[in-house]
Amino acid sequence: EAAVTQSPRNKVAVTGGKVTLSCNQTNNHNNMYWYRQDTGHGLRLIHYSYGAGSTEKGDIPDGYKASRPSQENFSLILELATPSQTSVYFCASGDVGYQDTQYFGPGTRLLVL
Amino acid sequence: GQQVQQSPASLVLQEGENAELQCNFSSTATRLQWFYQRPGGSLVSLLSNPSGTKHTGRLTSTTVTKERRGSLHISSSQITDSGTYLCANRQGGSAKLIFGEGTKLTVSS
Repeated sequence: EAAVTQSPRNKVAVTGGKVTLSCNQTNNHNNMYWYRQDTGHGLRLIHYSYGAGSTEKGDIPDGYKASRPSQENFSLILELATPSQTSVYFCASGDVGYQDTQYFGPGTRLLVL
Repeated sequence: GQQVQQSPASLVLQEGENAELQCNFSSTATRLQWFYQRPGGSLVSLLSNPSGTKHTGRLTSTTVTKERRGSLHISSSQITDSGTYLCANRQGGSAKLIFGEGTKLTVSS
């Protein structure tokens, strides 16, 4: 079974502060993803990566940076957190193929006050 | 950009009834996938079905690429099937998945 872990699981941050969300996968997948999930908007892609050293903008990248230092690790960085970034964040890993899918982490609940 | 729309938004069933969930997508390039999200939890992949009909357990996924639609049939629903079912389509040749907003299923005894 694919394994994706996220830390922290819960985070309270202050407006203007820096927040780093971490993701680790042990599946040796090339692709990793960061999503946020909000009521009324569903699951939206923030950034993704094709492999170590690469990051790509997703559909809602503004206010977020990403870092992929290794095959296993993918971080999401909020340099100046705002209350509108309060959400549940999911990391996923996967590879593209005929029967491709993505494996999701447990999620991080972020509250920005 | 591509859009994925699911219906109904919510569905309430009694245990043992069948469920039919619909997914419509705007792009013809299809890698339709279904995910399950338990209340307050993460997403779990159920089926990846590019075209045709695929079965696994009590789940049947049908994807009609030309009509840009897919469906997920859950037979003999159980209380433990309660949760949100999301459909997602892979955009073109990229690695990105576009998700619908989900169908919330509630199964009661």
